[in-house]
Amino acid sequence: SYVLTQPPSVSVAPGQTARIACGGNNAGRKTVHWYQQRPGQAPVLVVYDDGDRPSGIPERFSGSSSGSTATLTISRVEAGDEADYYCQVWDGTTDHYVFGTGTKVTVL
Amino acid sequence: QLQLRESGPGLVQPSETLSLTCTVSGGSISSTDHYWAWIRQPPGKGLEWITSSYYRGTTYYNPTLKSRVTVSVDTSKNQFSLKLTSVTAADTAVYYCARVTYTSSWRRRFDPWGQGILLTVSS
Repeated sequence: SYVLTQPPSVSVAPGQTARIACGGNNAGRKTVHWYQQRPGQAPVLVVYDDGDRPSGIPERFSGSSSGSTATLTISRVEAGDEADYYCQVWDGTTDHYVFGTGTKVTVL
Repeated sequence: QLQLRESGPGLVQPSETLSLTCTVSGGSISSTDHYWAWIRQPPGKGLEWITSSYYRGTTYYNPTLKSRVTVSVDTSKNQFSLKLTSVTAADTAVYYCARVTYTSSWRRRFDPWGQGILLTVSS
């Protein structure tokens, strides 16, 4: 089955940039979506179709994709960005949805 | 604004069947542009996709759960439901329902999500 691997944790100081990688076989050739999950809350879509933002999501959130890795970038990190982040793809080979392993972002 | 809300028992006995319902408001479950999904998250762990259904019956399943999962869509009530048989402690999780938007066959995302419901399997 298809696997998406993320780093377990990323730490960043306020005002700095956090980058979260999502790696998988040819991940850069699949369409990647990103979700933010704050403690005790349901996930929220923050980036879709590799790099688009839903309405209401700050421009500080951006996505990119190349080769076997997709990346979520959070610029000018704020305390409220502290959360778990998951990438997700649709694997058309198997008709399955796949989530990444998740990354906990800690704001120092 | 579309909203989803899960409902069901908070506690299920081992070996019994877990039943959950998702009620959709602010939009129609008969939308031709969307599927409807169940996703779960064991305590302290990551997200696991369970199943996705189209209102006319096309359904996709996580292969690790397929043999125990049944999904139904009730367009008259704007609801869709999940049944998971022969549950064990490993099925203890927060269960979410979500809408799937697909802008092409390979661009499929979950948005929005319900608030989630904690299901505990215990005697």
